[in-house]
Amino acid sequence: SQQGEEDPQALSIQEGENATMNCSYKTSINNLQWYRQNSGRGLVHLILIRSNEREKHSGRLRVTLDTSKKSSSLLITASRAADTASYFCATDEGEAAGNKLTFGGGTRVLVKP
Amino acid sequence: ETGVTQSPTHLIKTRGQQVTLRCSSQSGHNTVSWYQQALGQGPQFIFQYYREEENGRGNFPPRFSGLQFPNYSSELNVNALELDDSALYLCASSQAATNEKLFFGSGTQLSVL
Repeated sequence: SQQGEEDPQALSIQEGENATMNCSYKTSINNLQWYRQNSGRGLVHLILIRSNEREKHSGRLRVTLDTSKKSSSLLITASRAADTASYFCATDEGEAAGNKLTFGGGTRVLVKP
Repeated sequence: ETGVTQSPTHLIKTRGQQVTLRCSSQSGHNTVSWYQQALGQGPQFIFQYYREEENGRGNFPPRFSGLQFPNYSSELNVNALELDDSALYLCASSQAATNEKLFFGSGTQLSVL
């Protein structure tokens, strides 16, 4: 089962524009992470935000977390063609939930040059 | 490059056969997790191995089994293959049974005919 649900499922933007995608989840979490996947291959960790944090930045990435609404957003600023990929949120519910990350269905982002 | 290597990269099997997938974890990582990713979906947790013991399992039947070796490399075995087992199988390594930052391999694409 997938806890995180992402919105939109697909996004097409021009180079230089910002890309925003959202993730909703259902249960309490220890942290929420975002990963990128190019062409159906391995995932790359982008950023982690803990349940007691509200916002985090890493380069052109900005992540917010609202635990009261059980939602997170990922903003990519000044997008580049190389940002074309699928982006997944993943929730870590801790050891009691089975030592796993639960991934959403992903947002497919196309950045047009 | 994450330092996590998986073999083989592609595999074609027929229904009812057995398959073994292999994963070498990143240097210094003693935890390996396996995920199944169907086309167009997010990865789903199969199980995690920490110090050669299973340390968490997702909602997969017993015909999915695994091993972790003293050098922390790992195998995923699937018996009695079914058509729905066709997917990308991803291995991820991390430190000390945490899921705070997973390093993924490029995956093994399994097709069951």
